[in-house]
Amino acid sequence: GAVVSQHPSWVICKSGTSVKIECRSLDFQATTMFWYRQFPKQSLMLMATSNEGSKATYEQGVEKDKFLINHASLTLSTLTVTSAHPEDSSFYICSASPESTDTQYFGPGTRLTVL
Amino acid sequence: AQKITQTQPGMFVQEKEAVTLDCTYDTSDQSYGLFWYKQPSSGEMIFLIYQGSYDEQNATEGRYSLNFQKARKSANLVISASQLGDSAMYFCAMSPTIHYSGYALNFGKGTSLLVTP
Repeated sequence: GAVVSQHPSWVICKSGTSVKIECRSLDFQATTMFWYRQFPKQSLMLMATSNEGSKATYEQGVEKDKFLINHASLTLSTLTVTSAHPEDSSFYICSASPESTDTQYFGPGTRLTVL
Repeated sequence: AQKITQTQPGMFVQEKEAVTLDCTYDTSDQSYGLFWYKQPSSGEMIFLIYQGSYDEQNATEGRYSLNFQKARKSANLVISASQLGDSAMYFCAMSPTIHYSGYALNFGKGTSLLVTP
């Protein structure tokens, strides 16, 4: 079946540094990918919709200058957390759907810890 | 706007017993999709079952069934013959259309299920 991968699976960084998280659809093309954030013991909250070849759409309250999204190809979307701070520590999950199907696949998630 | 409510923060069930996880939703849309996902401690989101708003029969997938009561706006998950490996967080989610490719999902707060021997 279709698979979505994320890299890295976990990352620890110092406050003030930037971290890039990749989301790849391994065997299908996805014009749209979604980025969610999940704080401990909480639900998944949509951060942004990543659109191939155009600007991402951010949810209210999500800083687009802090969470840079680039959807450079039909199989890759990246989320860059710029100048990360401890409050950005969270679990970041992406999802994607093969076109012309009614199935949505989630990546395994990336656990970010900012010291 | 859509809203998903899961009122059970935590549930216990004994192995081999059945358990029902509650989910109610609110929407003004006529067309929508309802999902259940399982999230073990590893964090991955595992798709369990889907019900479209126009589906008249309740969805079933192996030990999972979705008790869809449209008039009451509820979409409860029933797990039969619970297994120790079923211990996890369970999320109810909703899409704004039955054809949900290209749409983000709106998640409930989740229910933590613990299966005891």
